[in-house]
Amino acid sequence: QLQVQESGPGLVEPSETLSLTCTVSGGSITSRSYYWGWIRQPPGKGLEWMGSVHSSGTTYNNASLKSRLIISVDTSKNQVSLKLTSVTAADTAVYYCARQSSNWMNWYFDLWGRGTLVTVSS
Amino acid sequence: QLVLTQSPSASASLGASVKLTCTLPSGHSTYTIAWLQQRPEKGPRHLMKVNSDGQYDKGDGIPDRFSGSSSGAERYLTISSLQSEDDADYYCQTWGAGIVVFGGGTRLAVL
Repeated sequence: QLQVQESGPGLVEPSETLSLTCTVSGGSITSRSYYWGWIRQPPGKGLEWMGSVHSSGTTYNNASLKSRLIISVDTSKNQVSLKLTSVTAADTAVYYCARQSSNWMNWYFDLWGRGTLVTVSS
Repeated sequence: QLVLTQSPSASASLGASVKLTCTLPSGHSTYTIAWLQQRPEKGPRHLMKVNSDGQYDKGDGIPDRFSGSSSGAERYLTISSLQSEDDADYYCQTWGAGIVVFGGGTRLAVL
């Protein structure tokens, strides 16, 4: 049974870079059938899509994050990574990794990780 | 602009039915959406996708009590025979041209 799990530091200082990893188990990240997305949720607020990446390296990002976001895949480790630079308190959130069909007709997230809370504070 | 509109809150009694609404903007009324459930302190769970024809396709293990439908630019999630475990936040999601959008979510209270 395929699972995804997020990991990374729970505390990041302002202006630093937030780095998270999503590990996929029970299946291959190189399946052409899927994208892998990052979604975040500030405390008490709704969901915000950050970006999605295919094992081929194709990425789509939320324009609101501009040049701060880098999403990539490491097929040798079956992992997806997220890097968000120049973080502020507004980046405090639970960060989720999720699987997304590569079929444009079904580009929704059908399998989610449990999420990891990242707090930006000095 | 691709924006999804949901009512912030809804409530219904245990054992009753409730219909939640997700509204697409004008010009996007044919879009397919997906419904997600998020129980307190848990990650989201995919419930189903609903297309403009009202056809819906549920995710694995989603009970028969959950169904979807459509009318114009509105997409619906109906939950029948409400149980306490249905007390949760419900989000809709859509996509297009390489972007993903979530609705603001509806907080469903099961009384």
